[in-house]
Amino acid sequence: KQEVTQIPAALSVPEGENLVLNCSFTDSAIYNLQWFRQDPGKGLTSLLLIQSSQREQTSGRLNASLDKSSGRSTLYIAASQPGDSATYLCAVTGGGTSYGKLTFGQGTILTVHP
Amino acid sequence: DVKVTQSSRYLVKRTGEKVFLECVQDMDHENMFWYRQDPGLGLRLIYFSYDVKMKEKGDIPEGYSVSREKKERFSLILESASTNQTSMYLCASSLYNYEQYFGPGTRLTVT
Repeated sequence: KQEVTQIPAALSVPEGENLVLNCSFTDSAIYNLQWFRQDPGKGLTSLLLIQSSQREQTSGRLNASLDKSSGRSTLYIAASQPGDSATYLCAVTGGGTSYGKLTFGQGTILTVHP
Repeated sequence: DVKVTQSSRYLVKRTGEKVFLECVQDMDHENMFWYRQDPGLGLRLIYFSYDVKMKEKGDIPEGYSVSREKKERFSLILESASTNQTSMYLCASSLYNYEQYFGPGTRLTVT
């Protein structure tokens, strides 16, 4: 059974720092990996999707990398801002006919203070 | 932009009531999902549907059923609500195995 782990569970940084969030998964037979952001009491917002054949994806100040063989992904946030404060979740879709079912990590709670 | 809407943001029901949570997506996606999110347990898949009238159980289907009569609408039904079903319920949709889009969530309290 696929298991997804995110480290650290919580992170507090001053504004302007570059930071890295980590995600690992036990079964490397994934179809894709998705990073989400969740604000308190809200739904999930998709940030980046990396297909299993890709190594990285970029969107603005965000860069996500994928090393499928080692079962790891990182989310890099450049020049962090207080508005980046949220919970960041990583999720993987299994290979085969999984119909896109996601297995989630527990998330990293990020606080960026002014 | 993909839009996934859920019928209620907050809902309070009594134990034993039958509860309907509705989800609608406007992008003609084949797949639709229902998750629940609880502190310390994360997001867990309850049911999903890959086509109209097709459904499959997720990881925690007990106490729930679903209905998908039209492609854009996926309903989650709590046959007899219990206090351990108090949770945040999140609906999502996707095209095949691609990016999943989530609704705003329904916070259900069962008293």
